[in-house]
Amino acid sequence: DTAVSQTPKYLVTQMGNDKSIKCEQNLGHDTMYWYKQDSKKFLKIMFSYNNKELIINETVPNRFSPKSPDKAHLNLHINSLELGDSAVYFCASSQESRSNTEAFFGQGTRLTVV
Amino acid sequence: SQQGEEDPQALSIQEGENATMNCSYKTSINNLQWYRQNSGRGLVHLILIRSNEREKHSGRLRVTLDTSKKSSSLLITASRAADTASYFCATVVTGTASKLTFGTGTRLQVTL
Repeated sequence: DTAVSQTPKYLVTQMGNDKSIKCEQNLGHDTMYWYKQDSKKFLKIMFSYNNKELIINETVPNRFSPKSPDKAHLNLHINSLELGDSAVYFCASSQESRSNTEAFFGQGTRLTVV
Repeated sequence: SQQGEEDPQALSIQEGENATMNCSYKTSINNLQWYRQNSGRGLVHLILIRSNEREKHSGRLRVTLDTSKKSSSLLITASRAADTASYFCATVVTGTASKLTFGTGTRLQVTL
């Protein structure tokens, strides 16, 4: 069973389109995240949700809107896609209530904006 | 700015040799974690070391932490071709809950 699953794995779309990436975790964790990995493999956190509440929102353009319908799901919606949005997006989860705990990552969604 | 810097950026060794990767960070941390990323895949957690710990072992992995120098090292002993991957250190900075701040990564190539 996949612990953190995200779909789609690959996404190719044109500039200006709106797209969504879905993420689900079956680990019972209370915290979920979105990370972005650029072409130089640099990983940076975008958002974090704890029990459906936004707790971290890095300086991400407001074209990016996370949505957490329940604590097992954290979807990422991106409006008006730009070339610079091309990257690999990773969803992750952890149990916030347990300090010093690791994060579990999904396989990533490679977004290519053309 | 990026919290962690890793060196070397790339490392190529032969199977059976040991691989050492270093990570430096800038601010006070709760813990430091190491992750592995195989090409085209997600990150897999390897080991976590708390700020009050100095050394930790897990199988062929040995991690050290020197909070006075704000640095950590990951040693992989008796490397195997399957260890070929990118390795990232990540810190949980004091007061930032569970937010992971990643280093720049070390690309390890283990050849037969």
